[in-house]
Amino acid sequence: AQSVTQPDIHITVSEGASLELRCNYSYGATPYLFWYVQSPGQGLQLLLKYFSGDTLVQGIKGFEAEFKRSQSSFNLRKPSVHWSDAAEYFCAVGTGSSNTGKLIFGQGTTLQVKP
Amino acid sequence: DTGVSQNPRHKITKRGQNVTFRCDPISEHNRLYWYRQTLGQGPEFLTYFQNEAQLEKSRLLSDRFSAERPKGSFSTLEIQRTEQGDSAMYLCASSLYGNTEAFFGQGTRLTVV
Repeated sequence: AQSVTQPDIHITVSEGASLELRCNYSYGATPYLFWYVQSPGQGLQLLLKYFSGDTLVQGIKGFEAEFKRSQSSFNLRKPSVHWSDAAEYFCAVGTGSSNTGKLIFGQGTTLQVKP
Repeated sequence: DTGVSQNPRHKITKRGQNVTFRCDPISEHNRLYWYRQTLGQGPEFLTYFQNEAQLEKSRLLSDRFSAERPKGSFSTLEIQRTEQGDSAMYLCASSLYGNTEAFFGQGTRLTVV
């Protein structure tokens, strides 16, 4: 069955430290992969996406993610975290052929940033 | 373009009442999606439309739920005879046809008391 796993429910990092959020997926075909961020009580904002091509993708707010097919992973990274990055982060896989709005989401990782 | 708009933002209703939510997608987007998100979980797909046609419904969408997109523009999601288990954030998203990302609205928070 198709699924997305985010192993870390909650992560705390100090401001200025580097960040890596893990995401593993299970999907039979070439996946379309996404990271979204959600602030409390708000909708989801797209950080970055992978459809094909270069496996290292750049997103907004200084985030990047690397697609590793052999590990079925799509981990999100940021070299230096800012206090405003505190939020919930969701990894998702697009499950429809040519329909990348139909998504399966992971459970999410809550990021707390210490001053 | 103001993005995907959802109304109301918050709704409190008594168990057994009917509620209706509205979603206005980005104007040129022909695909529209509904998701439900419960506390501490990721969003779960409910249904999607391409133009006015409802092309897929999740098993999560019980008979008490109905969604429409009558003219291929805005959409409504109605829940009849609400139950406490329906309390959740209901998210709407829209996208263009093809391999493009979905843009989400801010959601409607439903509380059933």
